[in-house]
Amino acid sequence: QKEVEQNSGPLSVPEGAIASLNCTYSDRGSQSFFWYRQYSGKSPELIMFIYSNGDKEDGRFTAQLNKASQYVSLLIRDSQPSDSATYLCAVNKAGGSYIPTFGRGTSLIVHP
Amino acid sequence: SAVISQKPSRDICQRGTSLTIQCQVDSQVTMMFWYRQQPGQSLTLIATANQGSEATYESGFVIDKFPISRPNLTFSTLTVSNMSPEDSSIYLCSVVWGSEAFFGQGTRLTVV
Repeated sequence: QKEVEQNSGPLSVPEGAIASLNCTYSDRGSQSFFWYRQYSGKSPELIMFIYSNGDKEDGRFTAQLNKASQYVSLLIRDSQPSDSATYLCAVNKAGGSYIPTFGRGTSLIVHP
Repeated sequence: SAVISQKPSRDICQRGTSLTIQCQVDSQVTMMFWYRQQPGQSLTLIATANQGSEATYESGFVIDKFPISRPNLTFSTLTVSNMSPEDSSIYLCSVVWGSEAFFGQGTRLTVV
């Protein structure tokens, strides 16, 4: 089992819809969870992080964490074509390590 | 935040040759990370470069193939040695600042 798993997609949603991106992780002691966005040909950039169970909202983005289920998700409301990118889930392992482990990423396509 | 300058941005190399990738960070950092990202795949950690000590390599990566230098707290190089077409990939350097990962612009390597 891979440490961080994501569906590679592509996930295709119409403009204005909610895009839901999901990620599971294997290390139950993981403490920090991140979502990075990577445009084609560009480097990843952080868009959200979450440490505690529940929801965290930032503008059109909501990160959701469920440690019991080892599941983290990213919701993008009112999706725009400019949101089309690959979204990488990253997890910092337990024990204070700051070396993130990345999932393979989910490709999101928002079509007009 | 941290700003990383990585070069070259891309190169086409003959098999059997070597390429050295450089990363310069605008702040002093203890650890720098080197990743490989193949098309449609996740970021795979190659090694962690520590200033003043040998780099720490992940399973499947060896120093003879990917020698790393870390002469000071703001600079590191990764060499891809004796290249084969299987080494064609994007190589990224990264630092963790706070708990957020920052990346260089990436080096797109094609081996012919």
